[in-house]
Amino acid sequence: EVQLVESGGVLVQPGASLKLSCVASGFTFSDYWMSWVRQTPGKTMEWIGDIRYDGSYTNYGSSLKKRFTISRDNAKSTLYLQMSNVRSEDTATYYCSRVGGSTGFAYWGQGTLVTVSS
Amino acid sequence: EIVLTQSPTTTAASPGEKVTITCLASSSVSHIYWYHQKSGASPKLLIYSTSTLASGVPDRFSGSGSGTSYSLTINTMEAEDVATYYCQQWSSNPWTFGGGTKLELK
Repeated sequence: EVQLVESGGVLVQPGASLKLSCVASGFTFSDYWMSWVRQTPGKTMEWIGDIRYDGSYTNYGSSLKKRFTISRDNAKSTLYLQMSNVRSEDTATYYCSRVGGSTGFAYWGQGTLVTVSS
Repeated sequence: EIVLTQSPTTTAASPGEKVTITCLASSSVSHIYWYHQKSGASPKLLIYSTSTLASGVPDRFSGSGSGTSYSLTINTMEAEDVATYYCQQWSSNPWTFGGGTKLELK
């Protein structure tokens, strides 16, 4: 069974940095592109970016690529999202997702909540 | 950026009723993907490549469309279909989502 478990969501102050993790199991992690998607408190969905199966290429939504970095450790079956200089508008639930070629965001984790507030 | 506009924003249906949700794209896309999200849960893939049901999805769901106009249909509404439905496109970076359609039980 495919499982994706995110962690690292916390309450942080504006301007801080934090790193989210997503541990995958139930499939060969190194075979798949992976993505991060976030959902605001108002339920708006926003794709953050994705990373190639070997970590050699990343692709970001244009508004976030200067502050967010996606990486992965295939030996640990773990996906990461490094967030820097966070703003109140970054408050959201962050999901990792396994990308399935033509099948879209095929699997999602349970999400981790990031709250940015002073 | 391709903007996806869903309608209606909210709708309600009685058990057995047919439900149709539309997704209009600001530019032509090759395919649309549909997800549903039940209260308190994470999104789940419902339909990919416009009309292919994801594994385990009942056949009362169907998808259709082309170009800039797509739709999701539930042939006979069931109580378990209460959820918010999102469309999404992979044709043009950045990948974008519609604003969602909340489906309630009448």
